[in-house]
Amino acid sequence: NAGVTQTPKFQVLKTGQSMTLQCAQDMNHEYMSWYRQDPGMGLRLIHYSVGAGITDQGEVPNGYNVSRSTTEDFPLRLLSAAPSQTSVYFCASSYFLAGDTQYFGPGTRLTVL
Amino acid sequence: GIQVEQSPPDLILQEGANSTLRCNFSDSVNNLQWFHQNPWGQLINLFYIPSGTKQNGRLSATTVATERYSLLYISSSQTTDSGVYFCAPCISNFGNEKLTFGTGTRLTIIP
Repeated sequence: NAGVTQTPKFQVLKTGQSMTLQCAQDMNHEYMSWYRQDPGMGLRLIHYSVGAGITDQGEVPNGYNVSRSTTEDFPLRLLSAAPSQTSVYFCASSYFLAGDTQYFGPGTRLTVL
Repeated sequence: GIQVEQSPPDLILQEGANSTLRCNFSDSVNNLQWFHQNPWGQLINLFYIPSGTKQNGRLSATTVATERYSLLYISSSQTTDSGVYFCAPCISNFGNEKLTFGTGTRLTIIP
């Protein structure tokens, strides 16, 4: 099993550009989530999904969209990138719930100029 | 929302030393997880521990849910233990579960 994979590993955007961060898991997990990690602030939840077709907002959802058309994939879209979105983004998955053991992807480091 | 405090924020130890990391949380929780983020950024789940004590090799964790804290013990530290340790309590609100991460303890093990 590859576990949780994320692409790209690094990305540089200009203000106003859009892009999609990809996340996939091959463990047949129902629960998937996106976090951002900023220096000194731990991880903050952006969006999450409890199964295909079901998504909900987390703590810091503004400026991001998600969709969940399959169990395996959970892409994160930045609609119009801003410097405040410079961060490291992590995707995570678990069997059913947030409280189940979480498995994290390797992260995407995004810089917005 | 729930407040999560980890202490100490930074810890520097010689190889072979023991350490205790603490996680305090402000509300009742369903469970709690501990993670290690290595120097390359990878987050690894160490423990799923809603209550009681668990051990895995040189690491052990204890959660006292009634007193709203959890402890992570690292014995005989090795340089590979360096990194940031996060606790993440899980709360349930109207059927929705969410993890809230603390700001972490940065551990540096000196050879």
